[in-house]
Amino acid sequence: AQTVTQSQPEMSVQEAETVTLSCTYDTSESDYYLFWYKQPPSRQMILVIRQEAYKQQNATENRFSVNFQKAAKSFSLKISDSQLGDAAMYFCAYRRPGGGADGLTFGKGTHLIIQP
Amino acid sequence: GAVVSQHPSWVICKSGTSVKIECRSLDFQATTMFWYRQFPKQSLMLMATSNEGSKATYEQGVEKDKFLINHASLTLSTLTVTSAHPEDSSFYICSARSPGTDIYNEQFFGPGTRLTVL
Repeated sequence: AQTVTQSQPEMSVQEAETVTLSCTYDTSESDYYLFWYKQPPSRQMILVIRQEAYKQQNATENRFSVNFQKAAKSFSLKISDSQLGDAAMYFCAYRRPGGGADGLTFGKGTHLIIQP
Repeated sequence: GAVVSQHPSWVICKSGTSVKIECRSLDFQATTMFWYRQFPKQSLMLMATSNEGSKATYEQGVEKDKFLINHASLTLSTLTVTSAHPEDSSFYICSARSPGTDIYNEQFFGPGTRLTVL
């Protein structure tokens, strides 16, 4: 079974600074999908960024980027120029390939605090 | 686009009663929907996968007789918690898979339903 580990229960960063959230996973698959989701206090899950394991290039979405190290099974999220609105729980998630019929396996989450 | 709604957003019920939670894809057809459970300050745990017109697939450890899932149409899946007990109190979140035009087959999440069993 796949497992996703987020070793940082809580992270704090000054506004406008950069922060990196870590995520490791365990799988025997060679192709799969990785995601970072944001869950603000409203509890609505919001997709931040996604990466297909087949692609070597790291995904980037504006201020959000990932460092995908397939051999190390690591998928960290870097948030640049942190903003107060970035404060939330961040979940790393894994999904097997197969047409999207599989649910997501989530890590335990990292609570990100933005200091003004 | 790709909006998923859940109803109700919050429900309180007495122990022993049954509660139904609806999950609707508002602007797309979802052949597959997923149900997750989230305890306070914890992660989301996949409970079951719901496919339109067929029986749901439950994750190991999830009681299929307690958590009844019906996916009767391409836009609606329901989760019924039968004979609810206080330990069933939780936040239930559904997601619906987007149509197969995206290799990621992204899941779009509903806003969740908070269930409190007294």
